[in-house]
Amino acid sequence: KNEVEQSPQNLTAQEGEFITINCSYSVGISALHWLQQHPGGGIVSLFMLSSGKKKHGRLIATINIQEKHSSLHITASHPRDSAVYICAVFSGGGADGLTFGKGTHLIIQP
Amino acid sequence: NAGVTQTPKFQVLKTGQSMTLQCAQDMNHNSMYWYRQDPGMGLRLIYYSASEGTTDKGEVPNGYNVSRLNKREFSLRLESAAPSQTSVYFCATQGSRNTEAFFGQGTRLTVV
Repeated sequence: KNEVEQSPQNLTAQEGEFITINCSYSVGISALHWLQQHPGGGIVSLFMLSSGKKKHGRLIATINIQEKHSSLHITASHPRDSAVYICAVFSGGGADGLTFGKGTHLIIQP
Repeated sequence: NAGVTQTPKFQVLKTGQSMTLQCAQDMNHNSMYWYRQDPGMGLRLIYYSASEGTTDKGEVPNGYNVSRLNKREFSLRLESAAPSQTSVYFCATQGSRNTEAFFGQGTRLTVV
């Protein structure tokens, strides 16, 4: 079964800063998900990637399959980026579904 | 296009009561999942259904049952609720294993 570790668990930054959230996993995968959850809210898919890099607005996700590591970057961070960011991968081990990291709680202060 | 619709959004139960959480998707996806989210832990898989008519246990199935009524609907039932089942529950769908996941808005369940 895949294990997922995220760092940092909590991150507070000032508006405009460049943000990096890291994710590592234990078993080789074919795709990794980055998700966003606002306080009291639902979960939204930001990216699904299997190689290289993807960009959407101020968000960039990268993955290194050989090193079993992915990063989520936020450029020119804004208070509305404050949320929990969750990394997830296919569980493996005979079960379907995703295995999730515990999430990174990001706060962007004005 | 509603995506994934989950009901109810909030529920308080007494220990021993039963309830069913409903999930419906209009994305024509084969795979549907029920996860629970607890403080300090990542989401954990309760049950999943890879296709209509099939269901399988996930990581934390004890105390739950599921029904895949048709391709659109996947329900989660608590037969005799316990305080340990206090959690936020999410339904999710995927078209296949390596495709984007879509989540319902969540059900915040408190068992007293």
